[in-house]
Amino acid sequence: KQEVTQIPAALSVPEGENLVLNCSFTDSAIYNLQWFRQDPGKGLTSLLLIQSSQREQTSGRLNASLDKSSGRSTLYIAASQPGDSATYLCAPSRGPYSSASKIIFGSGTRLSIRP
Amino acid sequence: GAVVSQHPSRVICKSGTSVKIECRSLDFQATTMFWYRQFPKQSLMLMATSNEGSKATYEQGVEKDKFLINHASLTLSTLTVTSAHPEDSSFYICSARDNRQDYGYTFGSGTRLTVV
Repeated sequence: KQEVTQIPAALSVPEGENLVLNCSFTDSAIYNLQWFRQDPGKGLTSLLLIQSSQREQTSGRLNASLDKSSGRSTLYIAASQPGDSATYLCAPSRGPYSSASKIIFGSGTRLSIRP
Repeated sequence: GAVVSQHPSRVICKSGTSVKIECRSLDFQATTMFWYRQFPKQSLMLMATSNEGSKATYEQGVEKDKFLINHASLTLSTLTVTSAHPEDSSFYICSARDNRQDYGYTFGSGTRLTVV
């Protein structure tokens, strides 16, 4: 059964800093991994999707890396802004035709960017 | 991109009544959808996997008679909370996997259920 751990659980930094959020997972037989953000009381917004054959993906100020064999992923946020404040969740998943094709979430990282 | 629409966004119901929540994939077909529950300041907990045309698969500890799931078409799954009680008050979110988008997941905007 997949277990996901995200470190740190919470992070508060001043605006402009570069950040690294860490994710580890126990089952490395994944098909892909997504990073999401969740604003309070809202649904989840997909930030980046990395296929198991890829090492990293970039979108704007966000860069996610994946080391499948060691069960780790990191999300790098450059030049953080107050609008980046949210909870960030990583989600490794099996293939679409796997009986275990479902996302099990960890507790996430609550990020607060101070103006 | 893939869009999942969830309705209602907010509902208040009386204890003992039933509430239905809809989850629709607007621009893609989803043979499988997922239902999550989230309590304040906690992470999302998977409740069940909804399978089009067949029975849902419930996670351990989730009462299938209380949380009825129907996935009658390739674009619609419903979650019915039966005989709701205040402890069922929570944030419910659905998601679906879009096979056109490298098999990434898309989430609905969630439903805030308050049972009074």
